[in-house]
Amino acid sequence: AQSVAQPEDQVNVAEGNPLTVKCTYSVSGNPYLFWYVQYPNRGLQFLLKYITGDNLVKGSYGFEAEFNKSQTSFHLKKPSALVSDSALYFCAVRPSGGGADGLTFGKGTHLIIQP
Amino acid sequence: NAGVTQTPKFQVLKTGQSMTLQCAQDMNHNSMYWYRQDPGMGLRLIYYSASEGTTDKGEVPNGYNVSRLNKREFSLRLESAAPSQTSVYFCASYSGGERDYGYTFGSGTRLTVV
Repeated sequence: AQSVAQPEDQVNVAEGNPLTVKCTYSVSGNPYLFWYVQYPNRGLQFLLKYITGDNLVKGSYGFEAEFNKSQTSFHLKKPSALVSDSALYFCAVRPSGGGADGLTFGKGTHLIIQP
Repeated sequence: NAGVTQTPKFQVLKTGQSMTLQCAQDMNHNSMYWYRQDPGMGLRLIYYSASEGTTDKGEVPNGYNVSRLNKREFSLRLESAAPSQTSVYFCASYSGGERDYGYTFGSGTRLTVV
C-alpha cells in the first residue's frame, strides 16, 4: 500500500523569501504525484502534478515541485512567498498502474507567510 | 461551471438522527470518493466507487453507507449520527488515465453532531 509523509505540521516563511513544503512517498512502481491547496472553508484545489518527464514541474500561482526518485521526495517550492500563499497544502500519490481506491494523501502542512 | 457539487454545505444533527449527504459531478468521471477531514488527521477515505454500480470501503467506513445512484451521483448516509462523526466531508471525482489530473473536489459539508 502507498503512503505519504509530510514531516512538518507547519512552515513559517517571511514574505518575499523562498518556501519549501516537504513530501516523501512510498509506492509500488512508478508514482503519480500531486499537490493540492486548501484555503479556509474551501475544498481542495489542484496545484500541480508529476506523471512523467522533467523532474521539475510547474503549477498554479508560481509554485513548482521537484521529483527526486532516489530520495522518494516531491517537495513543493516557490521562489518568493506571498501572504496570500498562506493555506493548508496536501501531497498525494498513487501508483502509475492505477488503483481503484485512488490517491493517498499526506496529513497536510500549514503554510504561514508572515508580512 | 463544471465540477463537483455537494449539498448541504452545513448541517447540525442531534445524536441518533440520520441524514444523507449528496454529491454530483458533471465531468463524466468513473470514480467517486467520500473523505472526512479532521484537524491533524488529513483526509481519510470513507467509501469509494470505482465505477457505476460498485462501492467499496475505505479506511474509516464504520457508521456510514453509500449509494452510487448513477454515474453522476454518489451519496453518503449516516444512519444514526454520533458526535464522533462531527467533521468536514468532501466528495471527489476522478478520471485517471494517461493525462491524470487527479481529483476534483466539492466544496465540502461541515457536519456537527450534538
